[in-house]
Amino acid sequence: AQSVTQLGSHVSVSEGALVLLRCNYSSSVPPYLFWYVQYPNQGLQLLLKYTSAATLVKGINGFEAEFKKSETSFHLTKPSAHMSDAAEYFCAVSDRGSSASKIIFGSGTRLSIRP
Amino acid sequence: DAGITQSPRHKVTETGTPVTLRCHQTENHRYMYWYRQDPGHGLRLIHYSYGVKDTDKGEVSDGYSVSRSKTEDFLLTLESATSSQTSVYFCAISAVETGGSTGELFFGEGSRLTVL
Repeated sequence: AQSVTQLGSHVSVSEGALVLLRCNYSSSVPPYLFWYVQYPNQGLQLLLKYTSAATLVKGINGFEAEFKKSETSFHLTKPSAHMSDAAEYFCAVSDRGSSASKIIFGSGTRLSIRP
Repeated sequence: DAGITQSPRHKVTETGTPVTLRCHQTENHRYMYWYRQDPGHGLRLIHYSYGVKDTDKGEVSDGYSVSRSKTEDFLLTLESATSSQTSVYFCAISAVETGGSTGELFFGEGSRLTVL
């Protein structure tokens, strides 16, 4: 069974600083991995997706994530935080190639940006 | 925006009453999911469907049942609502690729359920 662990329920960074949100996964088969973002009072939207084509995945709004199989990690980064990045971020995992595709989410990390 | 409609969007009910939430899609996507969102728990999968009449349990399925009699509709039923089922419920859909879901979810706007 798949699972996801997000380290840190709340991360606060200064505007212009590096953003690093941590995600570790567990999967018995090669996974798909995702990062979703949820802005206040909105639904979730996809930031980026790993499907094995490349280990470094670029997403929207300047975010990227690197798949590291040896560390079972898929951390999300952005070189320079912007006030508009304040939101909740969710890592998710899905087993690849299964006709009954569960998609499991982590508990989320709330990102705050200090002026 | 993906054509996903959840109804009702808000509901207040009493303990012990049955509740049905509806998710309707116009995208003809094969996969449909019900999640609940609670502070500190993120999104937890309740049930999902990988085709008409094909459903399976998720992480927190106790107290919930689902039905999918046609592609566009996925119903979530709480047979006897409890206060612990107070939550925001999200429906999501996903397209199919070789071997399974693409994994990319499109979400509805959510249904806020309060059980008194």
